[in-house]
Amino acid sequence: QVQLVQSGAEVQKPGSSVKVSCKASGGTFSSNAISWVRQAPGQGLEWIGGIIPLFGTANYAQKFQGRVTITADASTSTAYMDLSSLRSEDTAVYYCAREVTSGTWGMTVWGQGTTVTVSS
Amino acid sequence: NFMLTQPHSVSESPGKTVTISCTRSSGSIASNYVHWYQKRPGSSPTTVIYEDDQRPSGVPDRFSGSIDSSSNSASLTISGLKTEDEADYYCQSYHSTTVVFGGGTKLTVL
Repeated sequence: QVQLVQSGAEVQKPGSSVKVSCKASGGTFSSNAISWVRQAPGQGLEWIGGIIPLFGTANYAQKFQGRVTITADASTSTAYMDLSSLRSEDTAVYYCAREVTSGTWGMTVWGQGTTVTVSS
Repeated sequence: NFMLTQPHSVSESPGKTVTISCTRSSGSIASNYVHWYQKRPGSSPTTVIYEDDQRPSGVPDRFSGSIDSSSNSASLTISGLKTEDEADYYCQSYHSTTVVFGGGTKLTVL
C-alpha cells in the first residue's frame, strides 16, 4: 500500500520561498500523478498543481502560475512543491496526494500535511 | 474552465440518508470522473468515492456516488448516517490539465 510522507512544518517570512517534499513508499511512483493541495484556515481545498513523475511535466492552477514549481525525483520516489514570493495568505496546510488510476487525477492516497506559516 | 458548485451545508439526523450535490457549470459532468473527499478538522482528507461511483477499500457501503447527465451534476449519498460522518465533503473533477474542487459541504449529523 502506497504511503506518502511529507516534510515538517515551516515558518517563513513574507517574500521568501518554501519547498515541501513528499516521499512515496510501498508502491509505484512514476506513472500516477502527484497533486499538491492546500487548505488555508477556514477555507476549502485548493489545487495548486500536479505532476506525473514518469513524464516530468507539471501542470499548475492559474492562480499559482509563475510562483510555484513542482518537481519529482523518480530515483527517490519524492515529489517537491516550491512556492515563492510568500505572503500571509499562503499560510495553510499543504498536502500531497497520489492519483489512483492514471489519467483520472482522482486522489486516493494523501500525505499527512505540512503546515506552512508565513509571518514576519 | 468550469466550476463545481456544492451546497454550503446540509444537516440530517442519525440513521437517515443525505445526498450532497455537485453541479458542473460548463461541459458535461460525464466527460471527466468525479471524486469525493471527506475532510475532518486536523486530519488529512480521505477519499470516500473515486471515479464517480467507486468506493476505496475500507469505506463502508453506506457511501455511494452517482452522476446525472440531465442535471449535469454528481451526487454523494450517505445512508444510515452516523455522528462520525459529520465532516466537510468536497467533490473534485478534472479537465484539460486542471483539477477543480467544489467549495465543500459541511455535513452536520444532529
